[in-house]
Amino acid sequence: AQSVTQLGSHVSVSEGALVLLRCNYSSSVPPYLFWYVQYPNQGLQLLLKYTSAATLVKGINGFEAEFKKSETSFHLTKPSAHMSDAAEYFCAVSDQAGNQFYFGTGTSLTVIP
Amino acid sequence: DAGVTQSPTHLIKTRGQQVTLRCSPKSGHDTVSWYQQALGQGPQFIFQYYEEEERQRGNFPDRFSGHQFPNYSSELNVNALLLGDSALYLCASSLVQYTDTQYFGPGTRLTVL
Repeated sequence: AQSVTQLGSHVSVSEGALVLLRCNYSSSVPPYLFWYVQYPNQGLQLLLKYTSAATLVKGINGFEAEFKKSETSFHLTKPSAHMSDAAEYFCAVSDQAGNQFYFGTGTSLTVIP
Repeated sequence: DAGVTQSPTHLIKTRGQQVTLRCSPKSGHDTVSWYQQALGQGPQFIFQYYEEEERQRGNFPDRFSGHQFPNYSSELNVNALLLGDSALYLCASSLVQYTDTQYFGPGTRLTVL
């Protein structure tokens, strides 16, 4: 069985501040892990993915995430928040065949000018 | 290069009715997955189609059915609509050998009254 838990349904940061969105996973098999972003009234856009290669994964728009097996975590970070980062962020896990994705409930990021 | 497209954008139905949602995958993709995203929740996997067959299915009742056509486009059908079926329905496409990389469409917003 696989699942993800996103800690904090709402996160607010000041423009230019560090962004940290938390995700913990549960998986009975080696997982693939993903972060997606969703802007209002739009579909999901892939930010980055971990597929058992390097544990530090760099994605688009300056985001990165680190896979920590000992902590079963895959937190998303960005050194300096931009107003355009305001959106809903979803963490997801799948098996290594990628046949079925399990999404978290999402974290809404607000960036304060 | 066209991305994933879905139609219609919005749909309003009444309880007990049937609905069909459509998805055209990204050019070159052969696998289509469908997700239900209730308000304030993460997407939930409904099923995945490849070579016109259902490969995987999530925990959804038989009222939810699908079809994939030879051109890889897909339909999601929901019978006997319930109020709880109101959601954003997302389609995602991929290549069967790379189903960990899914591209999402903008979704169809279904409202059941």
